[in-house]
Amino acid sequence: RKEVEQDPGPFNVPEGATVAFNCTYSNSASQSFFWYRQDCRKEPKLLMSVYSSGNEDGRFTAQLNRASQYISLLIRDSKLSDSATYLCNTGGFKTIFGAGTRLFVKA
Amino acid sequence: EAQVTQNPRYLITVTGKKLTVTCSQNMNHEYMSWYRQDPGLGLRQIYYSMNVEVTDKGDVPEGYKVSRKEKRNFPLILESPSPNQTSLYFCASSLEASSYNEQFFGPGTRLTVL
Repeated sequence: RKEVEQDPGPFNVPEGATVAFNCTYSNSASQSFFWYRQDCRKEPKLLMSVYSSGNEDGRFTAQLNRASQYISLLIRDSKLSDSATYLCNTGGFKTIFGAGTRLFVKA
Repeated sequence: EAQVTQNPRYLITVTGKKLTVTCSQNMNHEYMSWYRQDPGLGLRQIYYSMNVEVTDKGDVPEGYKVSRKEKRNFPLILESPSPNQTSLYFCASSLEASSYNEQFFGPGTRLTVL
């Protein structure tokens, strides 16, 4: 089992839709988690961090379920500009990234 | 402007020809790291550094070397590149080697080894 696993997608959704991604992790000692957004082969950029049960920023909500060892990212009212790959990451110095989930938002 | 820079951005080379990819950050960050990204495999950590003169292996260190002589610079060295090192490379830095710090990434270096 990979240390961090994501559904690769792609997720194809219409504008205005709500979409959710999950990310499972195997190291129960992980303290913090991050969602990064990556546009086509450009550098990843931080979208949200998750330290406790969850975090919300506008249309984006991240939740952490320690018992089941997964974090989720919910995007409400999807925009065309949300089309990207979303990477899940466990924090720490020896950090692990998931392979990413691709999202396409269509008009 | 706070940033992580990498050079070169694009490089095509031949097997066995030593190369160095430079990485520099101007944010006084303690932690720096190198990743490679390949289709379907995501970002895999090559080496990381918690501070000057402190480096350690990530998940895929074979065929790579690093050094951290100054806080701002963290070069990646390929002593004898091979075609399986063709990849997209990212350097990143964060304030500290803590679980709670986000990473800031450089723009990437696309390397092709023929």
